[in-house]
Amino acid sequence: DQQVKQNSPSLSVQEGRISILNCDYTNSMFDYFLWYKKYPAEGPTFLISISSIKDKNEDGRFTVFLNKSAKHLSLHIVPSQPGDSAVYFCAASLQGAQKLVFGQGTRLTINP
Amino acid sequence: GAGVSQSPRYKVAKRGQDVALRCDPISGHVSLFWYQQALGQGPEFLTYFQNEAQLDKSGLPSDRFFAERPEGSVSTLKIQRTQQEDSAVYLCASSLVGSYNSPLHFGNGTRLTVT
Repeated sequence: DQQVKQNSPSLSVQEGRISILNCDYTNSMFDYFLWYKKYPAEGPTFLISISSIKDKNEDGRFTVFLNKSAKHLSLHIVPSQPGDSAVYFCAASLQGAQKLVFGQGTRLTINP
Repeated sequence: GAGVSQSPRYKVAKRGQDVALRCDPISGHVSLFWYQQALGQGPEFLTYFQNEAQLDKSGLPSDRFFAERPEGSVSTLKIQRTQQEDSAVYLCASSLVGSYNSPLHFGNGTRLTVT
């Protein structure tokens, strides 16, 4: 039972353009969502998060959008840079439960 | 300051052997988590500690898996009688406060290969 799904295993974007990574979830009780970025042989690092009371959160080049009715969130990176090439995981949690539920990840490649 | 440190980075075990994986969280971090990441998948929750108390072990796949954090700092994940399906990267993460929306700081993981 995959509660958090990232349906695109990989994405290739030209440097300077916008990267859009998508994530769907099934559990309507999730109320906090996070994006993590992972380089090879390293652990995931926190990127940005959003509470379910909001529909947008922005931090520099990174913006996360949440559509609760569609149970969908997306991460926008603009402009994309070569250093953004990594695997991106979305994750969800619910109040009262400390654990995060992760998606399968999307490998983003930024081409020069 | 130092991040989350895990050792060893790589471990090869023969099927049936016991292994112990160590995690040194960021100093002062209250919460500590263990996750298992299979190849091509996202991390999956194993267990959670708040200080020395193991508050959630619902993700441990079998009674061969055991975790402890006796003094509320360093944690050890032990796997007894390893099986091939235990091959994965084991990630440890810590956070400053015991709040569900406190971002986790992950270590680089221990890659376990069971032959």
